[in-house]
Amino acid sequence: AQKVTQAQTEISVVEKEDVTLDCVYETRDTTYYLFWYKQPPSGELVFLIRRNSFDEQNEISGRYSWNFQKSTSSFNFTITASQVVDSAVYFCALSEIRDAGNMLTFGGGTRLMVKP
Amino acid sequence: KAGVTQTPRYLIKTRGQQVTLSCSPISGHRSVSWYQQTPGQGLQFLFEYFSETQRNKGNFPGRFSGRQFSNSRSEMNVSTLELGDSALYLCASRTGGEETQYFGPGTRLLVL
Repeated sequence: AQKVTQAQTEISVVEKEDVTLDCVYETRDTTYYLFWYKQPPSGELVFLIRRNSFDEQNEISGRYSWNFQKSTSSFNFTITASQVVDSAVYFCALSEIRDAGNMLTFGGGTRLMVKP
Repeated sequence: KAGVTQTPRYLIKTRGQQVTLSCSPISGHRSVSWYQQTPGQGLQFLFEYFSETQRNKGNFPGRFSGRQFSNSRSEMNVSTLELGDSALYLCASRTGGEETQYFGPGTRLLVL
């Protein structure tokens, strides 16, 4: 069975600090996708990034960067120079690729609070 | 392009009643999935529909059911509501050829 663990339930930082959200996953499949979603107080899950299991290149998008390491089954997310608007709950998710469709397995989420 | 829409956004029901939630996917998306989010259990997969057929089902009792129409809109139904069904119900859509699911704003259900 697949599993996603986000060990940090809550992180509090001061604006402009860098912060890294950890994600560790378990799967028996060799082909899978990993995702990060942001959930602001409104409740909607906002898609941030998708990585497939064959692509271990790190990615940077503005202040956001992602570090995928297959050897340690980790897919960590770093926000550089955090801002108050980054305050939200962040979810890491895993999707196994199946002919019969797909389903996301989510971690428990990390609540990030950025204080001014 | 309009995003995923869900109606109603908020709902209050009493135990034993039934409820129907609606989801309209992004135009062109043929797959719709439903998830339940609670403080205790987190985000859990309910089911996925593609071209009016249920493709996957999560570990939920038979009181939870769904369907998808020919225009890809989907409904989920919960019968004989229990207090524990209080949750945020999120709908997500994808094209079918792509793995990324895009979520709607959710329906907050409160069962009294």
